[in-house]
Amino acid sequence: DGGITQSPKYLFRKEGQNVTLSCEQNLNHDAMYWYRQDPGQGLRLIYYSQIVNDFQKGDIAEGYSVSREKKESFPLTVTSAQKNPTAFYLCASSIRDKNTEAFFGQGTRLTVV
Amino acid sequence: QQQVKQSPQSLIVQKGGISIINCAYENTAFDYFPWYQQFPGKGPALLIAIRPDVSEKKEGRFTISFNKSAKQFSLHIMDSQPGDSATYFCAALQTGTASKLTFGTGTRLQVTL
Repeated sequence: DGGITQSPKYLFRKEGQNVTLSCEQNLNHDAMYWYRQDPGQGLRLIYYSQIVNDFQKGDIAEGYSVSREKKESFPLTVTSAQKNPTAFYLCASSIRDKNTEAFFGQGTRLTVV
Repeated sequence: QQQVKQSPQSLIVQKGGISIINCAYENTAFDYFPWYQQFPGKGPALLIAIRPDVSEKKEGRFTISFNKSAKQFSLHIMDSQPGDSATYFCAALQTGTASKLTFGTGTRLQVTL
């Protein structure tokens, strides 16, 4: 059963703490992406990776970090430097250099308490 | 800078009616225009897509109309059903190396009985 798995579905974080969101895919896709979704603002790109051990900043990378040590995995760390981290985070993957269809995970809703 | 503008932000349509969502883009290098459908608490999923060499594409009740000279495209949902109630995102992509989707801000569609 191929797809993208994000975990956890809900996450609560105290102010000042770092937290890591998991994203795993078994679609054999080279490219992976992290988006942030806020009401009325659509999906904004945080980071993306076209190949293992390489990644690029998206439009709103400040306060976030990523790693791409394995093709299947692209974890996102929300650091304490992110001033407004409460949001719905979506991971996606696609065939490299095409991205004509991006497959999304079910999302992680992060709330800062 | 928002490269893809989407309207309306929300839309209420009666069952059996036509839902119309509009998008406009700025970057003439975009060459692929997908629409994504998202149900609450879920990740977006590809609904239908078009390339600029055609003016219309139809899949079932869903049609994309594309106007290259005006840099606009729209989604028409014919015979709208309550099950179509979701958020719809238009997007644009310049295919090729390091391609990444640029999304509109989304339209929340509610189809009433």
